[in-house]
Amino acid sequence: ELKVEQNPLFLSMQEGKNYTIYCNYSTTSDRLYWYRQDPGKSLESLFVLLSNGAVKQEGRLMASLDTKARLSTLHITAAVHDLSATYFCAVGRSEKLVFGKGTKLTVNP
Amino acid sequence: DAGVTQSPTHLIKTRGQQVTLRCSPKSGHDTVSWYQQALGQGPQFIFQYYEEEERQRGNFPDRFSGHQFPNYSSELNVNALLLGDSALYLCASSYLGASIYEQYFGPGTRLTVT
Repeated sequence: ELKVEQNPLFLSMQEGKNYTIYCNYSTTSDRLYWYRQDPGKSLESLFVLLSNGAVKQEGRLMASLDTKARLSTLHITAAVHDLSATYFCAVGRSEKLVFGKGTKLTVNP
Repeated sequence: DAGVTQSPTHLIKTRGQQVTLRCSPKSGHDTVSWYQQALGQGPQFIFQYYEEEERQRGNFPDRFSGHQFPNYSSELNVNALLLGDSALYLCASSYLGASIYEQYFGPGTRLTVT
């Protein structure tokens, strides 16, 4: 059974600081997704990573994938308050997605 | 281009009742997946519909059933509601033949069972 683990589950950081969220998964997969969810809202797609060594960047967020280690990271650079949200990684298994529990990020002034 | 839409946005039901949730996929998409997100948890896959057939199913009891219509829209039905069914129900649409497979999520239906 495919399991997806994220850490940390809660992250409080100051504006301007850098940090990394980790996503480990238990069996091989060809797709890794990162989503953002604001309180009471739906999921917003951030990145789709398809191959080993893939790196994608959008603004202050950068995601990478190491399929051999079964590890993806979401790196936050110089955090700002607007990045406060819950971030989920999800692994594709055929056409369904298996999600981690999410990382609740709070960026403090 | 309308994205994924869901109705209703909120719903309050009593234990033992039945509920139907609705989803219209993004234009051009042919597949609908349903997820249950309990408070503080990640979404869990319920099932997926393609060509009006249930294509995959997660670890949910038979009380959860669905349907897909010829226009690709979908319904999720839950019978004999339990308090534990209270959650945000998310519909996601996709195109099975896409070169990069992505699921696009709707705004969700918040179900409260009392």
